[in-house]
Amino acid sequence: KAGVTQTPRYLIKTRGQQVTLSCSPISGHRSVSWYQQTPGQGLQFLFEYFSETQRNKGNFPGRFSGRQFSNSRSEMNVSTLELGDSALYLCASSSGQGARNEQFFGPGTRLTVL
Amino acid sequence: GENVEQHPSTLSVQEGDSAVIKCTYSDSASNYFPWYKQELGKGPQLIIDIRSNVGEKKDQRIAVTLNKTAKHFSLHITETQPEDSAVYFCAAASGGGADGLTFGKGTHLIIQP
Repeated sequence: KAGVTQTPRYLIKTRGQQVTLSCSPISGHRSVSWYQQTPGQGLQFLFEYFSETQRNKGNFPGRFSGRQFSNSRSEMNVSTLELGDSALYLCASSSGQGARNEQFFGPGTRLTVL
Repeated sequence: GENVEQHPSTLSVQEGDSAVIKCTYSDSASNYFPWYKQELGKGPQLIIDIRSNVGEKKDQRIAVTLNKTAKHFSLHITETQPEDSAVYFCAAASGGGADGLTFGKGTHLIIQP
């Protein structure tokens, strides 16, 4: 079975721009969660999508949004980028809704904001 | 919300020795505790997990123990090998798992040859 894939792997943007990241979950998985990883704050939960609906949300500003398509693929969007948004963005797929189900992570997208 | 503390931040052991990483959590409603291994340039890989109705779980050289009363859980790696070198993260899922996983800050495990 193919694992979780994320595109692009690397991205460089400037302040004020917006960015869209993509995640394809493991085949058959219906839940996609997004996490931000930085050296200072570690791994932090952004949100979870299950069956095309946002089910849970972490403590991030409204500039961070996402969506999920009928094939379970998910996109995450960050608008009006700030320097502090530079991070590794990870998505994790799971067969069920909620963090109590085993979550499998992709390789991440490294976003650099200049 | 949940808070997870992880120690130590760096652990250096001789190849063949055992390594132990410890985590504490704050939310007594948490009942799922996974451990992840992250190698350079890769995403976290689930290596073992434990649920609160179990005190210990073992998978070959890796074991995890959970003490619900004290709210702490530990990862034990025996007979360490060079490929065990990586950053290890503990995590907890609280409530109905609605807040996502809460992660510890990570332990950089270094296996000395």
